[in-house]
Amino acid sequence: AQSVAQPEDQVNVAEGNPLTVKCTYSVSGNPYLFWYVQYPNRGLQFLLKYITGDNLVKGSYGFEAEFNKSQTSFHLKKPSALVSDSALYFCAVRGGGTNKLIFGTGTLLAVQP
Amino acid sequence: NAGVTQTPKFQVLKTGQSMTLQCAQDMNHEYMSWYRQDPGMGLRLIHYSVGAGITDQGEVPNGYNVSRSTTEDFPLRLLSAAPSQTSVYFCASSYLDRGSEQYFGPGTRLTVT
Repeated sequence: AQSVAQPEDQVNVAEGNPLTVKCTYSVSGNPYLFWYVQYPNRGLQFLLKYITGDNLVKGSYGFEAEFNKSQTSFHLKKPSALVSDSALYFCAVRGGGTNKLIFGTGTLLAVQP
Repeated sequence: NAGVTQTPKFQVLKTGQSMTLQCAQDMNHEYMSWYRQDPGMGLRLIHYSVGAGITDQGEVPNGYNVSRSTTEDFPLRLLSAAPSQTSVYFCASSYLDRGSEQYFGPGTRLTVT
C-alpha cells in the first residue's frame, strides 16, 4: 500500500529565508508525486508534480521540489519565503498500480515578517 | 468552466440522519474522488471512481456510499450520520492518467450533533 509521511506539523521561517517542507513516501513501482497548498478556508490548489525525468521540478509561485529516489523523498523548497506563502502544504503520492491519490497529514508553513 | 462544484457548503445533521453531498465537474474527467479533512489527520480518501459505473473504496469508506451514473456527477451518501463524521469533505477530479493533477472543489463543512 502507498503512504506519505510529512514529519513536521509546522515549519517556521523568516521572510526572505529559504524554506523546506519535507515529504517521504512509500509505494511499489514508480511514484507519481504531488504538492498541494491550502489557504485558510479554501480548497486545495495544485503546486507541482514529479512524473519522470529531471529530479528537480519547478511549480507555481516560485516553489520547486527535489525528487530523491534512494531516500524516497520529495521535499518542497523555495529560495526566498514570503509572508503570503503561509498556508497548509500537502504532499501526495500515486503508484503501486492504482489511481488512488494518497495524502500526507500536512505541514503548516508560517512565514514571519 | 465551473471546475469542480460541491453542494451544500455547510450542513448540520442530527445523529442517525442521512444525506447526500453533491459533487459535479465539467472537465470530462474520468477519475473522481472524495476526501475528508480532519485536524492532524490530513486528507483521507473515502471512495474513488475511475469512470461511470465503477467505484472503489479508499482508506476510510465505512459509513459512506457512492455511485457514479454519469461522468460528471459523483455524490457521496451518509447512510446514518455519526458525530465521528463531523469533518470537511472535498471532492476532486482528474484525468485517468496517473500523472494528472487533481482539481478540488471548495468543500462541504458537515457537523453531526
